[in-house]
Amino acid sequence: DVQMTQSPSYLAASPGESVSISCKASKSISNNLAWYQEKPGKANKLLIHSGSTLQSGTPSRLSGSGSGTDFTLTIRSLESEDFAVYYCQQYNEYPYTFGAGTKLELK
Amino acid sequence: EVQLVESGGGLVQPGRSLKLSCAASGFTFSSFPMAWVRQAPKKGLEWVASISSGGGGTYYPDSVKGRFTISRDNAKSTLYLQMDSLRSEDTASYYCARHFHYSSYTPFAYWGQGTLVTVSS
Repeated sequence: DVQMTQSPSYLAASPGESVSISCKASKSISNNLAWYQEKPGKANKLLIHSGSTLQSGTPSRLSGSGSGTDFTLTIRSLESEDFAVYYCQQYNEYPYTFGAGTKLELK
Repeated sequence: EVQLVESGGGLVQPGRSLKLSCAASGFTFSSFPMAWVRQAPKKGLEWVASISSGGGGTYYPDSVKGRFTISRDNAKSTLYLQMDSLRSEDTASYYCARHFHYSSYTPFAYWGQGTLVTVSS
């Protein structure tokens, strides 16, 4: 199985700051990587697919980069709606696997 | 608007069975692969099963293979997950999800809000 190592597990930041979340795959997954946002009481939201393609509705202050084994989610100019839990997921091969998640909290 | 509404969760004893349902609307259900993803309490996400648009292809991780069965009724726009021989480690919220595109080798574009399954004596 492809192991997805996500870091950090916890991140505290202030509105207006920029943050980055790393996701590393145990083997190459090409660009078959997605990022999701989890918020209490809401359905999980697909933010980015194919490593760097923004899903419709995702604000342009979010960006994804990387291919192969190393990927990064960057959020510029944090807004209040960005404080949530973020997961990466590989869909290059079965079984699909997720990172352990990064909780982004208000400092 | 795409809507996925899960039902059928509850408290069940170890070794027993439970069947979850997911009612879909807002898109052509028969055109898209579907999936189940679960999240144990205070844990991360785990993919549980996927099914092709026509239902002929099903995929599972080893943790549930042989115990769980994913199926669909395209006429009713409903997805199912039959869970047999349940274990305490199957305790989780179960989410219905629609794959992004016509292939199941795609991410999950839409998610339901989940139904909680608790396996305990």
